[in-house]
Amino acid sequence: DTGVSQNPRHKITKRGQNVTFRCDPISEHNRLYWYRQTLGQGPEFLTYFQNEAQLEKSRLLSDRFSAERPKGSFSTLEIQRTEQGDSAMYLCASSPQGLNTEAFFGQGTRLTVV
Amino acid sequence: AQSVTQLDSHVSVSEGTPVLLRCNYSSSYSPSLFWYVQHPNKGLQLLLKYTSAATLVKGINGFEAEFKKSETSFHLTKPSAHMSDAAEYFCVVPSSASKIIFGSGTRLSIRP
Repeated sequence: DTGVSQNPRHKITKRGQNVTFRCDPISEHNRLYWYRQTLGQGPEFLTYFQNEAQLEKSRLLSDRFSAERPKGSFSTLEIQRTEQGDSAMYLCASSPQGLNTEAFFGQGTRLTVV
Repeated sequence: AQSVTQLDSHVSVSEGTPVLLRCNYSSSYSPSLFWYVQHPNKGLQLLLKYTSAATLVKGINGFEAEFKKSETSFHLTKPSAHMSDAAEYFCVVPSSASKIIFGSGTRLSIRP
């Protein structure tokens, strides 16, 4: 399968714990995005990578959130000291270089903070 | 600033009747627009995209959308709804080279 892969699919964690999610984009795509989606809302932009460089980060993103994309391949999103408000679906997408190219999304990681 | 407004949070139609999901946009960055569909427990899937080649865009599963610059609209339509069309639909606009903005979504329900 050559689609975007996200792991784990589900994560339940206790408040205050750290969690890390992984995204494997489509191999030839150099752009990678992280989004967060809560129930009844559209996905909200978190951050964007072009190859290994993190070029944009949402101003709404807490300092507890950090993302990396070493070597410009897979990416990880870490949330430190999780809070109940972090409960959401975290979506990863990738796209090729160029104008007007669509993003291909993974199935997401559903985080529940208890 | 770039934005999209989906005018209906929920649309319900009978199977076999037309579907209309409304979207208005504001974008100074790019004329491209997208519609994505999200079925329960599945990832977001591109339905169709407009990139200024033609104002009427055909997508998958019989959906199409018409770009109307004068009305700043990009409404999604389908002549005849099928039960499998029940899903959440998102109108999307690029806000920069690096970011795409999603509307709040329209949940489409199909009555038998």
